[in-house]
Amino acid sequence: ETGVTQSPTHLIKTRGQQVTLRCSSQSGHNTVSWYQQALGQGPQFIFQYYREEENGRGNFPPRFSGLQFPNYSSELNVNALELDDSALYLCASSNYRDTETQYFGPGTRLLVL
Amino acid sequence: AQSVTQLGSHVSVSEGALVLLRCNYSSSVPPYLFWYVQYPNQGLQLLLKYTSAATLVKGINGFEAEFKKSETSFHLTKPSAHMSDAAEYFCAVRSEGNEKLTFGTGTRLTIIP
Repeated sequence: ETGVTQSPTHLIKTRGQQVTLRCSSQSGHNTVSWYQQALGQGPQFIFQYYREEENGRGNFPPRFSGLQFPNYSSELNVNALELDDSALYLCASSNYRDTETQYFGPGTRLLVL
Repeated sequence: AQSVTQLGSHVSVSEGALVLLRCNYSSSVPPYLFWYVQYPNQGLQLLLKYTSAATLVKGINGFEAEFKKSETSFHLTKPSAHMSDAAEYFCAVRSEGNEKLTFGTGTRLTIIP
């Protein structure tokens, strides 16, 4: 059973650019959540996808958007990058048998210059 | 609304000593509670979870936590600290029917040789 994987591991962008981060959920998991972890902080919920539909959203602007694909992998897209978007972006997956537990990937560290 | 408060952003204990990391939660409905550990430059690993079964929960690496409703607490303990326990620890809460995990700000645990 493979765990949650994310790509790329590191990324450097400039202000105003767009970025796409990718996540492959753990085998058998149909729900994906994305979190932003700023330096020295706890993760903050961005949104969750269940069966390709958004299933809840945190306090993030619309320039943060996502997709979930039929194989349950997911993308996080951020448009018009700002300096404050620099953070570790974590993806977590869960399944219908154990919906309260989320399993996290290693994260993508984004630096916006 | 749900939230968690972790008392002490930094905790230092001697190798072999008791580890106690504090977490208090606020939730309007019965919560699910979690402890995650994060090693440097890595994602989050689930240590243990409370899902309304036994109030004393045992996790990996010798950690355990006790759910105390009267104190709204879910403190993490380990009888004897090991050097490999040095990491950042996050307490998180999720309410039934709520899709997101809400994290505390984390406690950095340092082990003194």
